[in-house]
Amino acid sequence: DSGVTQTPKHLITATGQRVTLRCSPRSGDLSVYWYQQSLDQGLQFLIHYYNGEERAKGNILERFSAQQFPDLHSELNLSSLELGDSALYFCASGTGYTFGSGTRLTVV
Amino acid sequence: EDQVTQSPEALRLQEGESSSLNCSYTVSGLRGLFWYRQDPGKGPEFLFTLYSAGEEKEKERLKATLTKKESFLHITAPKPEDSATYLCAVQDAGDYKLSFGAGTTVTVRA
Repeated sequence: DSGVTQTPKHLITATGQRVTLRCSPRSGDLSVYWYQQSLDQGLQFLIHYYNGEERAKGNILERFSAQQFPDLHSELNLSSLELGDSALYFCASGTGYTFGSGTRLTVV
Repeated sequence: EDQVTQSPEALRLQEGESSSLNCSYTVSGLRGLFWYRQDPGKGPEFLFTLYSAGEEKEKERLKATLTKKESFLHITAPKPEDSATYLCAVQDAGDYKLSFGAGTTVTVRA
């Protein structure tokens, strides 16, 4: 157990729908990073939050958004889902970049 | 933009057959180079961070080295449990995100 908790582990949804992925960082970590891993693109950085503030954005689609709450957990919201959004979504926390076990999103 | 290229894409080894994985990188300024191990369907597991050319780190059968242009992950006398995808990532001095390579999938046969 890495200490980074992601829920749900699996999610199957239809095109056009909206989903929310949740990440609780390791105790004491203020930073949360979101990454997307697809078969054809590898691990891609999406967004970084530090203590509730957005610090950096990567190749994150406008249909995607995130936030970090006062208790430091973070949520990644994916809307108007397309088949190509099917992927593993990971969060990582802290300067040690400890990754969670991911959420597998399947869009059908 | 940061670039990370890993080779080979796949590596099949016999148990006990040592080998090396390569990670070539291009960054404007290197804050750190990271190695991870990833098992199918799991999150990346942190192995090493290297910060400057000439640095080496070891963990069990794994040893990572760093030059100004590339890093190597040496696997000595591998066992079947070392089978996994090994990911290399760089952190640019300008920010904190990681830019990953595509990975090398290592299969060790008993």
